[in-house]
Amino acid sequence: GQQLNQSPQSMFIQEGEDVSMNCTSSSIFNTWLWYKQDPGEGPVLLIALYKAGELTSNGRLTAQFGITRKDSFLNISASIPSDVGIYFCAGPALGNTDKLIFGTGTRLQVFP
Amino acid sequence: DTAVSQTPKYLVTQMGNDKSIKCEQNLGHDTMYWYKQDSKKFLKIMFSYNNKELIINETVPNRFSPKSPDKAHLNLHINSLELGDSAVYFCASSGTGSAIEKLFFGSGTQLSVL
Repeated sequence: GQQLNQSPQSMFIQEGEDVSMNCTSSSIFNTWLWYKQDPGEGPVLLIALYKAGELTSNGRLTAQFGITRKDSFLNISASIPSDVGIYFCAGPALGNTDKLIFGTGTRLQVFP
Repeated sequence: DTAVSQTPKYLVTQMGNDKSIKCEQNLGHDTMYWYKQDSKKFLKIMFSYNNKELIINETVPNRFSPKSPDKAHLNLHINSLELGDSAVYFCASSGTGSAIEKLFFGSGTQLSVL
């Protein structure tokens, strides 16, 4: 089945640093989503991407829909302690858009 | 106020027991889901209901039985609990049409089977 692999698996950074993470798949996705999960909570949608090459921002977050439609990137600028959490990419399964496939997650830790 | 609420937050039980997790959404959404998050934080869909009708049923043991009494509720009943069922279970809902990206999650139920 379709799989989404995220890297890095974990990141430990200092407050104020910029962060980059990516998500790759061996198959095409028509929509790319980025979610954040705070400890003890469910994932919350950060950014949605609908077109190959699209670059979208949400505050300090910027995400890109890869040209090949097989990858996506998320950047966080000037990180702050509340950025701590797990970031997931996700996309609707081909042939069944009611089914959302989640990536393996990138765990971000920010030190003051 | 809470959009998707699930109870209980924590559930600790012995192997072999039967337990239920309840979920309610007040968003007026037509579709509700159950996701399982394992110890490595991997999130996988289990079930999806649209207007009380089952539309997605992944390869889940039949010890797991979802029940949707109305479109605002989707409960998950688990029979004969096993150690491997320990995980965090998330309920979620989404609106009609191509609203899969507008997926709202509950805060999860951490199930520990001893």
